[in-house]
Order: sequence, then structure tokens, then C-alpha cells
Amino acid sequence: EAGVTQFPSHSVIEKGQTVTLRCDPISGHDNLYWYRRVMGKEIKFLLHFVKESKQDESGMPNNRFLAERTGGTYSTLKVQPAELEDSGVYFCASSPWTGRDYNEQFFGPGTRLTVL
Amino acid sequence: AQSVSQHNHHVILSEAASLELGCNYSYGGTVNLFWYVQYPGQHLQLLLKYFSGDPLVKGIKGFEAEFIKSKFSFNLRKPSVQWSDTAEYFCAVNAGDNFNKFYFGSGTKLNVKP
Repeated sequence: EAGVTQFPSHSVIEKGQTVTLRCDPISGHDNLYWYRRVMGKEIKFLLHFVKESKQDESGMPNNRFLAERTGGTYSTLKVQPAELEDSGVYFCASSPWTGRDYNEQFFGPGTRLTVL
Repeated sequence: AQSVSQHNHHVILSEAASLELGCNYSYGGTVNLFWYVQYPGQHLQLLLKYFSGDPLVKGIKGFEAEFIKSKFSFNLRKPSVQWSDTAEYFCAVNAGDNFNKFYFGSGTKLNVKP
């Protein structure tokens, strides 16, 4: 079974440009999460989808970030316009819906974003 | 807001040495506790988790962690490390107000010398 995949693995852009990150969850996983790690710091929660609905977007830094999950399958995270402080590693995770409080999250390899 | 502190940012050990990585969290209510590991070039993987019951939990590859509620701690241990344990280790918590939202520590890089 394929794991969570993310594209691209690396992205280098200039300040002011737009970047779109993609996440493909494990097939059948209703829950999809985005996290970000700024260099050397903690991995921070950005948002959580259940199918195509945003369940919790409390971690989104500002309105330059837009996450979508059309059709409840893959998700995109767009940063427009990118700023220097957006540099970091963006992780995606997915989990099945089991009806319990906790569902194990499976992480992708991350996308390293560098804004120059 | 909840937070997770990992005291050691970088640990260097020789093979066969014992390991203990510290983790403290701040949240007064019900929590689930986790340790994740990221081996070089690989995904974050779950090492072990604690929900309830026996506060000493055993995970994969000989790792264990002990939940001490009075100290808000969940330290990771391994009696004898191997070179293959070289990785970055993350402590994480999710809390009773939202079990889908993880709070991670800043990670500890472990370098095991052969």
C-alpha cells in the first residue's frame, strides 16, 4: 500500500512568488492534515480536513495560505505571495476515520520550501 | 495553549550506551502522548504511544517511554543504542479538546557513533 506522498520534494522560489504544494493521502483516509516545521523548531499544526471539509484551520498563519481538498482526495496548499518566513518543511499526514477519538496519523516525506 | 518541550536538541552517543530523551508538556487535562522518529531520508514514523493504563509503554526497536503525570513528562529510553538509531526524535501530544491536533516538540537529533 502506498504511503502519503508529497510533491514537490523541494521548492525554491523568490519572495512574492506563488507556490503550490500537493499531498496525496493514503487511499481511503478521510482525514488529512498539514503541518509545518520552520528550521530547527517544532512541527506546527496548520489545518485538518475531513474529506473535503476544513475541520480545523486554527494553525494557518495568515490569509496568504490557502488549502483545498476538492473531492476529498488529494490536497493542495498554496502560498501567495510567499514571504521569507514561509521557508520550512511542510508535512502532510493522513489518517483513517475509525469513529474513535484518536486516529493514527501517517506522515509524508515533506516538501522543503525555500523562499529567497 | 499546549506546548511540548524537548530538552536536548542534539545528543551524541556511542553504540551500546543508554539513551534517555526528555519530553515535558503543558496541559492539565487528558492527553495522548507520542514519540515519532525520522530516520535520515525517511518519513516521520510512530515509535510508541500512550493513551491510558500502564504508564510504561514499549514501542518498536526496543524503545520505551514512561508517562509521569505529576511531572507532565514522557521521557523516551533505550538501554543500548545502535548506530541505526541515528535519527531525529519528536515528542508529541494531543489533548482532550482536539485529538486530531498534534503539538510537537522541536525534536532531538541523535547521533550514534559506531
